[in-house]
Amino acid sequence: DAGVIQSPRHEVTEMGQEVTLRCKPISGHNSLFWYRQTMMRGLELLIYFNNNVPIDDSGMPEDRFSAKMPNASFSTLKIQPSEPRDSAVYFCASSPQTGLYGYTFGSGTRLTVV
Amino acid sequence: GENVEQHPSTLSVQEGDSAVIKCTYSDSASNYFPWYKQELGKRPQLIIDIRSNVGEKKDQRIAVTLNKTAKHFSLHITETQPEDSAVYFCAASSGNTPLVFGKGTRLSVIA
Repeated sequence: DAGVIQSPRHEVTEMGQEVTLRCKPISGHNSLFWYRQTMMRGLELLIYFNNNVPIDDSGMPEDRFSAKMPNASFSTLKIQPSEPRDSAVYFCASSPQTGLYGYTFGSGTRLTVV
Repeated sequence: GENVEQHPSTLSVQEGDSAVIKCTYSDSASNYFPWYKQELGKRPQLIIDIRSNVGEKKDQRIAVTLNKTAKHFSLHITETQPEDSAVYFCAASSGNTPLVFGKGTRLSVIA
């Protein structure tokens, strides 16, 4: 298995632009998680899905953030419009179940909003 | 909800010495406690985990201990090597809730 695949690896965009991050989880994993990592706040859970259904999006910072999982093999995290304070590394992770097993993280997307 | 505190935030040890990182959690229902290692610019990777029915688990030079009464768990690395230098994260979950991560410990092993 290729693991959790994220794209792009790096994204530099101007303030106000729309940003879309993509994730392909490990086949057979039922849970998918989006995390944001910054020096100040560490690893923050933004949203997670079970069987493609969003379960908890209370970590999404603002309405500018949205996430979808149209099928078991694909998820997107969208920021519209982007702001400089959104600059961070965004990780996608997947797991066989929500909290009983360790998560496998993707390589992350380093987002810079200028 | 769950809250995980991790100490220390930074740790420097001489090569060959032991390193200990400690975490506390708040939710007594938590029953799964993994540890992750993140090297600079890389993804967090699971290195060891422990479930609440076990008090200690070892894997070569790393071990994790769990005290459910006190609600704390620790990572022990023996005979540290330069390649152990990384940020280590603890996490906790009750099984049907997502992992909650500590803020991380930056470990530096000095050769």
